[in-house]
Amino acid sequence: EPEVTQTPSHQVTQMGQEVILRCVPISNHLYFYWYRQILGQKVEFLVSFYNNEISEKSEIFDDQFSVERPDGSNFTLKIRSTKLEDSAMYFCASSLTGARQDYGYTFGSGTRLTVV
Amino acid sequence: GQQVMQIPQYQHVQEGEDFTTYCNSSTTLSNIQWYKQRPGGHPVFLIQLVKSGEVKKQKRLTFQFGEAKKNSSLHITATQTTDVGTYFCAQANAGGTSYGKLTFGQGTILTVHP
Repeated sequence: EPEVTQTPSHQVTQMGQEVILRCVPISNHLYFYWYRQILGQKVEFLVSFYNNEISEKSEIFDDQFSVERPDGSNFTLKIRSTKLEDSAMYFCASSLTGARQDYGYTFGSGTRLTVV
Repeated sequence: GQQVMQIPQYQHVQEGEDFTTYCNSSTTLSNIQWYKQRPGGHPVFLIQLVKSGEVKKQKRLTFQFGEAKKNSSLHITATQTTDVGTYFCAQANAGGTSYGKLTFGQGTILTVHP
């Protein structure tokens, strides 16, 4: 079964450092997303990406965050200057058709980001 | 924005007992999706409901969408230890300029005692 692949699985970084989280979505999918989950809390939407541009973003996704699809396969989330409160599990997800489908979104296994 | 409230937050059951989690919204939902997240894992899609009053079954799992499309439930019959995890409901925003952002409920953490 096709998978969404995320690397690294764990990342520890110093506060103020830049991090890049990487994702390889399912190859024929067209919609890409980043979500985050602070430990013990619900999954929160960060950003959606379609047709090589951001289609929607949440209040969490401020100027410190950016996304790219540099080569047609990878989908990256960059946090420019990490803060302690950025510590969370970051999930990448992809979908073939966005909301109008019956088979949901496929999530990657996540990157656990710890900012110290 | 759209909010979905989920209860209970925690549920501890003995193996073999039934389990139900409920999802409610103050506004009409266009759809509801259910996901399971095993401890330390990622959300895995279970099902999507779209029609008013819809009921779908997957083995021991029964999913319902309310007639008014403002609530949904997931019921597990005769729980097993493999059912352990957090169950989330979520709505996929559709229409207009939305590209399928998922709004998750808070989740119900299910613990099954053998």
